[in-house]
Amino acid sequence: DAGVIQSPRHEVTEMGQEVTLRCKPISGHDYLFWYRQTMMRGLELLIYFNNNVPIDDSGMPEDRFSAKMPNASFSTLKIQPSEPRDSAVYFCASSLPVSETQYFGPGTRLLVL
Amino acid sequence: DAKTTQPTSMDCAEGRAANLPCNHSTISGNEYVYWYRQIHSQGPQYIIHGLKNNETNEMASLIITEDRKSSTLILPHATLRDTAVYYCIVGHNQGGKLIFGQGTELSVKP
Repeated sequence: DAGVIQSPRHEVTEMGQEVTLRCKPISGHDYLFWYRQTMMRGLELLIYFNNNVPIDDSGMPEDRFSAKMPNASFSTLKIQPSEPRDSAVYFCASSLPVSETQYFGPGTRLLVL
Repeated sequence: DAKTTQPTSMDCAEGRAANLPCNHSTISGNEYVYWYRQIHSQGPQYIIHGLKNNETNEMASLIITEDRKSSTLILPHATLRDTAVYYCIVGHNQGGKLIFGQGTELSVKP
């Protein structure tokens, strides 16, 4: 298996623009997680899905952030409009149904100017 | 989920064992101890987990005290590539979220 796939790996955009991050989980994994990592706040869980249904989105910073999982093999995290303080590394992870062994993707490095 | 406490940083000589401690004094009976690590510029990587008994795999050993209030991750022969931030996390092993703290930054030196 190729592992968790994220795209793009790097994104540079200007304040106010829409940003869409993409994730393909490992096949057969029912859980999908979105994390954000910054120097100041460390690794934060934003939202997670079980069987394509959002379970806990309490970590989503504000209404500018939204996440979807239209099917078992694809998820998006969208920021609209983006702000400089959204600059961070965004990780996607997936896991099997009864496990907290999460497998992380390589991350998307986002820079909002 | 129970909180964990780890030292901010540690050094280890290459080839020696690295022993990384973690305190989780409020752990409940059905909570597991998980260890992940994050090498610079990469996503976190699962290492090992356990409930009560000591565990060993190809990467590391996990020693959990009898009262389960603390644990130690052991890398038996540390290499330079083991330089990373190591996270100790407590969770229920039922799927669902893990809360990452600040972890321990391990530096393996030649």
